Amino acid sequence: GDSVTQMEGPVTLSEEAFLTINCTYTATGYPSLFWYVQYPGEGLQLLLKATKADDKGSNKGFEATYRKETTSFHLEKGSVQVSDSAVYFCALSGGSQGNLIFGKGTKLSVKP
Amino acid sequence: SQTIHQWPATLVQPVGSPLSLECTVEGTSNPNLYWYRQAAGRGLQLLFYSVGIGQISSEVPQNLSASRPQDRQFILSSKKLLLSDSGFYLCAWSPGQATTNYGYTFGSGTRLTVV
Repeated sequence: GDSVTQMEGPVTLSEEAFLTINCTYTATGYPSLFWYVQYPGEGLQLLLKATKADDKGSNKGFEATYRKETTSFHLEKGSVQVSDSAVYFCALSGGSQGNLIFGKGTKLSVKP
Repeated sequence: SQTIHQWPATLVQPVGSPLSLECTVEGTSNPNLYWYRQAAGRGLQLLFYSVGIGQISSEVPQNLSASRPQDRQFILSSKKLLLSDSGFYLCAWSPGQATTNYGYTFGSGTRLTVV
């Protein structure tokens, strides 16, 4: 079945460091891909998405490119801030109902 | 615009007590609705989803149940809570049409502690 694999955390970075969180997927067909962010004590928020191969989603300085050849959707940011500390979830739309399938999440801590 | 409301935000309940968590969506019709649970330090576990009134699909057998009495209302219930029911419960919605591009919109969550 469809699945999402994220790099395990936690990831700890210093402010202004470069961030990459790896995400790879297995899917039949052509799913849409998503990154969600969960700040402490809150629900999940959609960070960015891409709906077809080679699309680049971007928001708040974060970017991710839908790579069909490597089945990947890695999340990147050039310069992280303390306020980016959160849990990040990669997800794909799959199944007969188009339900989202989530990765296990990667916790990011950014130190000043 | 569409909004999703989930309450209560925090709940402390004794073992063996009943549970009712409510989620409502505004600004859309016939949404797909979802209940997730997130245990401490863990990922998301899909509990239930619904594509219409009275239509509930269960992903994980347990002592929880869900109901959808109205188009935009989704309720999570238990007759007798267990310690293992503690966690962060999230409601979400997506458009009712079979589209894979929209993703989900989540509520702000309910922190349940069973003591």
